[in-house]
Amino acid sequence: GENVEQHPSTLSVQEGDSAVIKCTYSDSASNYFPWYKQELGKRPQLIIDIRSNVGEKKDQRIAVTLNKTAKHFSLHITETQPEDSAVYFCAAIPPGGDMRFGAGTRLTVKP
Amino acid sequence: NAGVTQTPKFRVLKTGQSMTLLCAQDMNHEYMYWYRQDPGMGLRLIHYSVGEGTTAKGEVPDGYNVSRLKKQNFLLGLESAAPSQTSVYFCASSYSKGSEQYFGPGTRLTVT
Repeated sequence: GENVEQHPSTLSVQEGDSAVIKCTYSDSASNYFPWYKQELGKRPQLIIDIRSNVGEKKDQRIAVTLNKTAKHFSLHITETQPEDSAVYFCAAIPPGGDMRFGAGTRLTVKP
Repeated sequence: NAGVTQTPKFRVLKTGQSMTLLCAQDMNHEYMYWYRQDPGMGLRLIHYSVGEGTTAKGEVPDGYNVSRLKKQNFLLGLESAAPSQTSVYFCASSYSKGSEQYFGPGTRLTVT
């Protein structure tokens, strides 16, 4: 089955800096790559997703890039704010398979 | 719309006891899922359902059973709880397999 690895496990940045979280996946047939944000004690919520026919997608301060050849995708957050502090999960789903999540990245944005 | 709801929010069980977690969604989604979340391990799929009356095993199904008698409800059962099942359980639903999953608020289960 699909295996997703996520790095780093923790990330601390200064407010206003950029943050980058990277994920690799094992199944080259995977075609949907969502990113979820989970604030402390809350449920995971989708913040952005990308499909395999697109190389990059942007939504205001967040962007996701996908490199199908290398089988990795990344989340980019620019101009970070304290409210960006949370755990971020990447995921991948192959056709006919189950969604597999990365282990998560705890992002801390210091004011 | 309430979205995805779960009951109960918290529960403490003794080893060997049984319980059922209830998930309900009002978005008319076909797909429903049960995950467990443990520190440092992300979300792991326990069981899922692709429609009323169907269930399928996920990544970590042992020790759990599920039922989907109605489209809007997905039940997760623990027949004989073990300390290894101490976790936070999330239910989710989606329109299709490759679409956004909407999560419930979670159930924190402790097995002593």
